[in-house]
Amino acid sequence: EVQLVQSGAEVKKPGESLKISCKGSGYSFTSYWIGWVRQMPGKGLEWMGIIYPGDSDTRYSPSFQGQVTISADKSISTAYLQWSSLKASDTAMYYCARVLRGYSYGRKRYYYYYYMDVWGKGTTVTVSS
Amino acid sequence: SSELTQDPAVSVALGQTVRITCQGDSLRSYYASWYQQKPGQAPVLVIYGKNNRPSGIPDRFSGSSSGNTASLTITGAQAEDEADYYCNSRDSSGNLDVVFGGGTKLTVL
Repeated sequence: EVQLVQSGAEVKKPGESLKISCKGSGYSFTSYWIGWVRQMPGKGLEWMGIIYPGDSDTRYSPSFQGQVTISADKSISTAYLQWSSLKASDTAMYYCARVLRGYSYGRKRYYYYYYMDVWGKGTTVTVSS
Repeated sequence: SSELTQDPAVSVALGQTVRITCQGDSLRSYYASWYQQKPGQAPVLVIYGKNNRPSGIPDRFSGSSSGNTASLTITGAQAEDEADYYCNSRDSSGNLDVVFGGGTKLTVL
């Protein structure tokens, strides 16, 4: 069974650092992208970024570039999301998800789209003084 | 604001058919995918690509697309379908891998 198991809930103070994890199992971890998604309390899903554990190719949403760091350790099939200095506004649920790529063909080119077929249960991060 | 626009809320009578839409320029070129999220749970993929259902998703869920609008249709809505539904695709420039719609709260009456 394909699974993504995320680390447990965190309660931190503003200014502290944090690294949360997402461990994949049941599939070849290095062959699929892993994405991170934020969901603030009562709000929708926000795309943060994506990493390919095979070669650590990483792409960030402009909204999160410079705010977080996405990394992976393929030796232990684990992806990470980290903050160097948390803010109260980082309080949210964070999901990791396995990302697949599909495509369509038209107008003499391929159009690649991404979707998330397996999700972790989420890690709640609370930042409060 | 999101590049993919969804109605905030939609309701449907039990057993009836409901269509949830997602609008955006990128949908003229890229397929949308759809996720169901129930309270306190992680999202679940229900439709991806042209009209593909992952294993375990009931066949009452289907997807379609026309112009700049992608649609998720639930034919014969059940009480357990009450949830938030999100679409995702790429941004209109194709530079950003993933953007999400703002979500639609589906109420089954």
